[in-house]
Amino acid sequence: QSALTQPASVSGSPGQSITISCTGTSSDIGGYNYVSWYQQYPGKAPKLMICDVSKRPSGVSYRFSGSKSGNTASLTISGLQAEDEADYYCASYTSSAQWVFGGGTKLTVL
Amino acid sequence: EVQLVESGGGLVQPGGSLRLSCEASGLTFNTEWMTWVRQAPGKGLEWVANIKDDGSQKYYVDSVKGRFTISRDNAKNTLYLQMNSLRVEDTAVYYCATHSNWVFGFWGQGTLVTVSS
Repeated sequence: QSALTQPASVSGSPGQSITISCTGTSSDIGGYNYVSWYQQYPGKAPKLMICDVSKRPSGVSYRFSGSKSGNTASLTISGLQAEDEADYYCASYTSSAQWVFGGGTKLTVL
Repeated sequence: EVQLVESGGGLVQPGGSLRLSCEASGLTFNTEWMTWVRQAPGKGLEWVANIKDDGSQKYYVDSVKGRFTISRDNAKNTLYLQMNSLRVEDTAVYYCATHSNWVFGFWGQGTLVTVSS
């Protein structure tokens, strides 16, 4: 099972919106609505930000939203803030009853 | 408050074995699927294995099948990962996490495993 494809880096200025894509196949993202997104600061454990493609867990800012079209999922962060600078990972269930993560995207707030 | 505390990491030679533990508190452990996720130095996250709440189902990433075994002791609120025939490429921080409702909800802080001669 190959890792999902994410851009290595994205950047944006405070107040702007950015979108991180996560591309898989019909055997993972395209076949299930079990896509989630995680935020990770350096040296820290990941934190769940989006589940089931577009649901925000309790306590996660409304500025984070998720969507999916075909084999590609997306995470959008609106009203970018300095504290959003981190690594972001997507994850999906697969037809092999396994789980696969994306390679990760480093978000830089300019 | 949910807490997951991993232990058991360390330095081991290639071909060696190690058993990781993850002690859980603040949750009803015997109703939670649990998982291990690893992260090699400077690299991304990789799902390793998961186990059903009652231990009756277990799944593994292909690269560890036959070498790693996930298990749990619900009486002790503890998750385990027995790692045998370790390889240099198994070097990583190993995280345990809850894995119910199709998400990795709560994570521990991780334990570092270094495989080197």
